[in-house]
Amino acid sequence: DAGVTQSPTHLIKTRGQHVTLRCSPISGHKSVSWYQQVLGQGPQFIFQYYEKEERGRGNFPDRFSARQFPNYSSELNVNALLLGDSALYLCASSLIPGPVDIQYFGAGTRLSVL
Amino acid sequence: AQSVAQPEDQVNVAEGNPLTVKCTYSVSGNPYLFWYVQYPNRGLQFLLKYITGDNLVKGSYGFEAEFNKSQTSFHLKKPSALVSDSALYFCAVRDRGRDDKIIFGKGTRLHILP
Repeated sequence: DAGVTQSPTHLIKTRGQHVTLRCSPISGHKSVSWYQQVLGQGPQFIFQYYEKEERGRGNFPDRFSARQFPNYSSELNVNALLLGDSALYLCASSLIPGPVDIQYFGAGTRLSVL
Repeated sequence: AQSVAQPEDQVNVAEGNPLTVKCTYSVSGNPYLFWYVQYPNRGLQFLLKYITGDNLVKGSYGFEAEFNKSQTSFHLKKPSALVSDSALYFCAVRDRGRDDKIIFGKGTRLHILP
């Protein structure tokens, strides 16, 4: 079975541009979460979506937005890119929301903002 | 607020020796604790979790972790290290809000020396 897939794998943008990152969860998984991992730090939670509704949001500005589609795939959008947005963006999926359910991560999209 | 701390940026161990990667936590209520591993250019891979029950949790690739409530620790261990264990290890705790966000430590880089 395919794991969590993310596209693209690498992306280079300039300041002020916007970017869309995509995630396909493991088949059967209905919950998708997004994390930002800056070099040298642990991942930071951005969003969680379940059944196309936002279930949680981390401490990120409104330039960050996301959505989930009927097939449970998800997009993360970032507007007005800043140099500090350069990071590895990770998507994780789980069967259903819940504290004991395991989140499985994709390989990530590495975003470089110049 | 829930948090985890990984006091060591890097741990060096000779191949064949036992290894320990340290983690302490701060939570309100019972903790849901996790260990993930990250290989270069890869996403996070789930190793093991502690929810309740036995204090010694066994996980993937021969790893185990010991939950110690009195010391608020959740150290990762392996009896005999392999060179292929060299990677970045993250301790994490599940938040107790409506969402399922995982709060990660900053990570410990493990080097297994041949």
